[in-house]
Amino acid sequence: LAKTTQPISMDSYEGQEVNITCSHNNIATNDYITWYQQFPSQGPRFIIQGYKTKVTNEVASLFIPADRKSSTLSLPRVSLSDTAVYYCLVEQNTGFQKLVFGTGTRLLVSP
Amino acid sequence: GAVVSQHPSWVICKSGTSVKIECRSLDFQATTMFWYRQFPKQSLMLMATSNEGSKATYEQGVEKDKFLINHASLTLSTLTVTSAHPEDSSFYICSARRQQGNTEAFFGQGTRLTVV
Repeated sequence: LAKTTQPISMDSYEGQEVNITCSHNNIATNDYITWYQQFPSQGPRFIIQGYKTKVTNEVASLFIPADRKSSTLSLPRVSLSDTAVYYCLVEQNTGFQKLVFGTGTRLLVSP
Repeated sequence: GAVVSQHPSWVICKSGTSVKIECRSLDFQATTMFWYRQFPKQSLMLMATSNEGSKATYEQGVEKDKFLINHASLTLSTLTVTSAHPEDSSFYICSARRQQGNTEAFFGQGTRLTVV
C-alpha cells in the first residue's frame, strides 16, 4: 500500500480557497487517489476520487500531475462547516482492498 | 447514497464485561466490512477485515480473542469487545463498499465506547 504524507494541520478563513497537498511517491499504476472528510465523532465521508489530471464534483476538485506522485484537494470558498480532518488515501482497483488511513490534515476555518 | 449504520452510537460498560457493536449495510450487500478504532486526535487504525461466512482477518497487534468479529450475513457484521478494560475506551467505526474496485467506502457513524 502506497504511503501518503500530508500536512498535519492548516488554517484558513471563510470564503478562501483551500488547497491540501498529499504526497504519494510510491503510487502504483493501478492505484487510485481518494479523499475523505471526517468531522468529530463521526465516520469519514467520501469527498472525491481520481486517477489522473483533474476531477471536479459539487464539493471539491482534485488535481493530479502527470507523474501522480502527489495530489491536491481544492476546496473552493470554504465555510466554517468545512472544519474537519481530511484524509488522502491511495488504493488499488483490485477487489476489496482495505483502506489504511494516514495522519490526515486538520483544517480549521475561522470567521 | 448507500448507508452503513452502526449501533449503538455510544455505550458505557463496566470493566470485565463484554460489549457488542453492530454494523449494517442498509441498502446493499457487503461481503467485506472493515473495523477501525480511533483514539482522540488520532487517525483511524484498521483493526480487522470482516468476511461474510468466514473468519475475520486481523491486523498485526490486534487480539482476535479480545475483539471478536462475526459476519453472519451480507448486511451485518458485529464486533464484540470481550472483557473490556478502560484502555479499550475508544471510537469504533465500521466501513463497507458496494462492490469491488475503486468505489467509495461508506462508513458508519461510529460507536463511542467508554469502559469504567
